[in-house]
Amino acid sequence: EPEVTQTPSHQVTQMGQEVILRCVPISNHLYFYWYRQILGQKVEFLVSFYNNEISEKSEIFDDQFSVERPDGSNFTLKIRSTKLEDSAMYFCASTRGGGSGTQYFGPGTRLLVL
Amino acid sequence: AQSVTQPDIHITVSEGASLELRCNYSYGATPYLFWYVQSPGQGLQLLLKYFSGDTLVQGIKGFEAEFKRSQSSFNLRKPSVHWSDAAEYFCAAEGGSQGNLIFGKGTKLSVKP
Repeated sequence: EPEVTQTPSHQVTQMGQEVILRCVPISNHLYFYWYRQILGQKVEFLVSFYNNEISEKSEIFDDQFSVERPDGSNFTLKIRSTKLEDSAMYFCASTRGGGSGTQYFGPGTRLLVL
Repeated sequence: AQSVTQPDIHITVSEGASLELRCNYSYGATPYLFWYVQSPGQGLQLLLKYFSGDTLVQGIKGFEAEFKRSQSSFNLRKPSVHWSDAAEYFCAAEGGSQGNLIFGKGTKLSVKP
């Protein structure tokens, strides 16, 4: 069964450093998402991406964040200058259809900012 | 604003007992609703979803959920819990035109022998 994969599984970085989180969505999916889950809190939507552009973003997704689909398979989330409060689990998800499509989630990347 | 509420933070049930996890939503129309499960250190696995039609939906691992419009609820049920069901359960509703999900805070399920 196809699945969403994410790398790395864990990343530790220093405050102010740039990090890139990588995701490989399911191959025939067209809509891509990033969510984050701060420890002990709910999963929060960050951004959705379709047709090589951001289609929707939350207020969390400020100028420090960017997303890219550099090739036909990868989908990345970049945090330009990490802050302590960026420490969280980051989930990538994909779906074939936007509205009403079932989202399939990756296993997540746990980011720790020191 | 759209929201999803899971009133129970932590529930403990005995193995073999029945289970019901509560979920309420606040939405202008009938949303698409989902239940996901997250085992420790794992990602989110879809248990079941409701889009339209039959209000009782069946999912994987013996779970089912019932959509009740009058109560704005989508409670998850299982008739007999197994120790492997211990995990965190998240209710979610589709919140935007692009399908982004709004999650509840989750309910942690513990199963005692």
